[in-house]
Amino acid sequence: GQQLNQSPQSMFIQEGEDVSMNCTSSSIFNTWLWYKQDPGEGPVLLIALYKAGELTSNGRLTAQFGITRKDSFLNISASIPSDVGIYFCAGPLIQGAQKLVFGQGTRLTINP
Amino acid sequence: NAGVTQTPKFRVLKTGQSMTLLCAQDMNHEYMYWYRQDPGMGLRLIHYSVGEGTTAKGEVPDGYNVSRLKKQNFLLGLESAAPSQTSVYFCASAQGEPQHFGDGTRLSIL
Repeated sequence: GQQLNQSPQSMFIQEGEDVSMNCTSSSIFNTWLWYKQDPGEGPVLLIALYKAGELTSNGRLTAQFGITRKDSFLNISASIPSDVGIYFCAGPLIQGAQKLVFGQGTRLTINP
Repeated sequence: NAGVTQTPKFRVLKTGQSMTLLCAQDMNHEYMYWYRQDPGMGLRLIHYSVGEGTTAKGEVPDGYNVSRLKKQNFLLGLESAAPSQTSVYFCASAQGEPQHFGDGTRLSIL
C-alpha cells in the first residue's frame, strides 16, 4: 500500500536555526500536504502542494513538491519557540473519498 | 478549531467496557473521518464516511464501529474496549479540500 516515510523522526535545534525535513514514498502522489500538530491539539494544515516542482511559501515556511512526485520537502527559516510541535506530511490515497495517508511525523524541539 | 468538535476530551475505561466518541462539524462537509494516533506511527484511518448514512472501513477498523445518522455528526464506538485501543483519537472533516481536524480525545483502557 501507499506509505509515507518522514525524515528525520526528531530534531533538536537552537532558536534561530533553519529546519529541513522531507517525506518520501515509493508511490506517486498528485498532492502533498504538510500539517503541524501542537501539543494537545489536532493537526492544522500548513501548506498544500498540487503540482510537481511547485514551491510554495507560508511565512517562514517553504514546501516543495518533488519533480518525481515521490517526495516533498518542508523548510522552516529562523525558527522560533512556537515552531515546536510535530510536522506531518500527507497525501491522498488513489482510491479517493479524499482519504489521506500520513507520514510518521517529525518532532521538532527548540532548545532555549 | 471551532469547525470540528470532539467529545469527550479525555476518558479512562476498564477492559471490556463500551463507549462512544462524538464528532460534530459545523462546516456542512460531506466527508468525515476517524483516526487514531499512536507514538511514532502518525495517524491511521479507522473508519470514514462520504455522506450522511454511509460509512466505510479504513486502515485499522477492527474493534470499532461508526455511524453517520446526521451529516454533521460522526460517532465512533468501542464495543468492548481493549488495552490496545489506548490512543488519541482524532476526527476530521473535508469537502473538496484538505481535512480539518478536531483537538482529539485521549482514551486510556486499563
